[in-house]
Amino acid sequence: TQLLEQSPQFLSIQEGENLTVYCNSSSVFSSLQWYRQEPGEGPVLLVTVVTGGEVKKLKRLTFQFGDARKDSSLHITAAQTGDTGLYLCAGLKPDNYGQNFVFGPGTRLSVLP
Amino acid sequence: DTGVSQNPRHKITKRGQNVTFRCDPISEHNRLYWYRQTLGQGPEFLTYFQNEAQLEKSRLLSDRFSAERPKGSFSTLEIQRTEQGDSAMYLCASSLLSQTNEKLFFGSGTQLSVL
Repeated sequence: TQLLEQSPQFLSIQEGENLTVYCNSSSVFSSLQWYRQEPGEGPVLLVTVVTGGEVKKLKRLTFQFGDARKDSSLHITAAQTGDTGLYLCAGLKPDNYGQNFVFGPGTRLSVLP
Repeated sequence: DTGVSQNPRHKITKRGQNVTFRCDPISEHNRLYWYRQTLGQGPEFLTYFQNEAQLEKSRLLSDRFSAERPKGSFSTLEIQRTEQGDSAMYLCASSLLSQTNEKLFFGSGTQLSVL
């Protein structure tokens, strides 16, 4: 059973379009992070959201953390071909030694020219 | 700061052979994580270290897998008697543990193919 679910699994759009991808869970997280991963490389951190209801903007990317800290969304405005990649959400959960990261399965985004 | 370095980038081995991967984290980072990722999936947690202590190990991790971080710096992940199901990208990440906003910095991974 996936602790974190992401939707859609795949998304293919034209350059200039807007899109939203989602990260959902039945668990509460102390914070949630979004990463982007390109083929053959490791994930790269985009943002961390900590407070329920928090909205963060990173240029054309807008991240929102749900009020109950169980879900998050990533909205991209006017997508560019450089936005192509695997978008991963990761939740921080307490463990016996502090906290640990749990990753979702990702949304694979293709932005076509 | 040269980032997280993983070696080798690619490894092809025959079923039954042992393989060892190395990860050099960012120098001041005290936490080091190993993840496994298969095509179309997110990273799956394997184990992590705080300094030289191995704190958590996934229950999904077979006894054929072992990891070390002998001096709290670099780490090695060994897989004994490899199986075809071990084929995956093995990712290492490091972080500086803090009260809030711990951030993972990933290496480029080691792509393992077991024939």
